[in-house]
Amino acid sequence: EVVLVESGGGFVQPGASLRLSCAASGFAFEESAMHWVRQAPGKGLEWVSQIGWNGASSGYADSVKGRFSISRDNAKRSLYLEMNSLRPEDTAFYYCTKDSSGVPASGTFFDYWGQGVLVTVSS
Amino acid sequence: SYVLTQPPSVSVAPGQTARVSCGGDKIGYQSVHWYQQKPGQAPVLVVYDDTDRPAGIPERFSGSNSGNTATLIISRVEAGDEADYYCLVWGGSTDPYVFGPGTKVTVL
Repeated sequence: EVVLVESGGGFVQPGASLRLSCAASGFAFEESAMHWVRQAPGKGLEWVSQIGWNGASSGYADSVKGRFSISRDNAKRSLYLEMNSLRPEDTAFYYCTKDSSGVPASGTFFDYWGQGVLVTVSS
Repeated sequence: SYVLTQPPSVSVAPGQTARVSCGGDKIGYQSVHWYQQKPGQAPVLVVYDDTDRPAGIPERFSGSNSGNTATLIISRVEAGDEADYYCLVWGGSTDPYVFGPGTKVTVL
């Protein structure tokens, strides 16, 4: 059974930093691309970032580019999202998701999702 | 960036068929994927590659895609199908993953 468990969320002030983690089990983590997708309370889904199976490639939504950094540790079966210079508009549930392939590309999709972790940015 | 449109809401009586549309320029040339999200839960993949169902998803869920519109079709709707539904497509190298705004399906 594929299981993705996020952690590291919380309440922070604008300008602060936070690191999210995602522990993966039940599939070949080292062969799968991974993503972070977020959802502001009561709003729709927004893709945030992606990383290829070996960590060599990554990508970001324009809204977080230059502030967020994605990484992974295949030995620990873990995915991370380092979030800096947080803004109130970053307030959302952050979901760790598994890609249907090892390399994000046209036609791939998110086949499994974690339960999400809430990040609240407010003064 | 690639823009998707979905109706905000669709209402359907139990046992009837619900159709949720996802509009986009030449979307018929794309692979479209659909997610179901119930309140307080993470999204679940219900249809991928326009028409395919993941294991465990009832046959009542199907999809079509042609021209400028993709459609999620829920046959013999049940109360448990009440949820938000989102479509997803590849938006290109600069904006790779694009979600539709979502459609709330209400079972009357």
